[in-house]
Amino acid sequence: EPEVTQTPSHQVTQMGQEVILRCVPISNHLYFYWYRQILGQKVEFLVSFYNNEISEKSEIFDDQFSVERPDGSNFTLKIRSTKLEDSAMYFCASTRLQAGETQYFGPGTRLLVL
Amino acid sequence: DQQVKQNSPSLSVQEGRISILNCDYTNSMFDYFLWYKKYPAEGPTFLISISSIKDKNEDGRFTVFLNKSAKHLSLHIVPSQPGDSAVYFCAARSNTGNQFYFGTGTSLTVIP
Repeated sequence: EPEVTQTPSHQVTQMGQEVILRCVPISNHLYFYWYRQILGQKVEFLVSFYNNEISEKSEIFDDQFSVERPDGSNFTLKIRSTKLEDSAMYFCASTRLQAGETQYFGPGTRLLVL
Repeated sequence: DQQVKQNSPSLSVQEGRISILNCDYTNSMFDYFLWYKKYPAEGPTFLISISSIKDKNEDGRFTVFLNKSAKHLSLHIVPSQPGDSAVYFCAARSNTGNQFYFGTGTSLTVIP
């Protein structure tokens, strides 16, 4: 069964460093999403992406964040200058068509900022 | 801004009995609701969904009920099995956008 994959599974970085989290959505899916979950808290929407541009973003997704689909398979989340409070589990998700469909989630990347 | 609330952080149920997980929402523009199940170190896995035009959706042991007037939905699992032990997230989507709003989750433990 097709699945969303994410790499790396864990990332430890120093505050102020840039990180890139990678996702490979399901191949025939067109909408892509990033969520994060701070330990013990709810899953929070960051951004949705369609047709090579951001379609919606939350207030969390500030100028430190960017997303890109550099090729036909990868979908990346970049955090330009990490802060301690960026430590969280980051989930990528994809849907075949527009929301209203089930989002399929990847296993997540656990980011720890020291 | 907690638009989707799961007020019970945890629930324990005996194997074979019914598990009832509850979710409340505040946004009347929400038109699609989902339940996800999450095991540790894994991403959320879709379980069951319901559109706002329905009040019940059933899939095997899982049934979701939607009460729009109360802005409340619930997930019933019957009979509960030990493998159902996981964190369950309720999520909702507004008819104005693509964003899904998640609750904080309820950790279900099914006791053998």
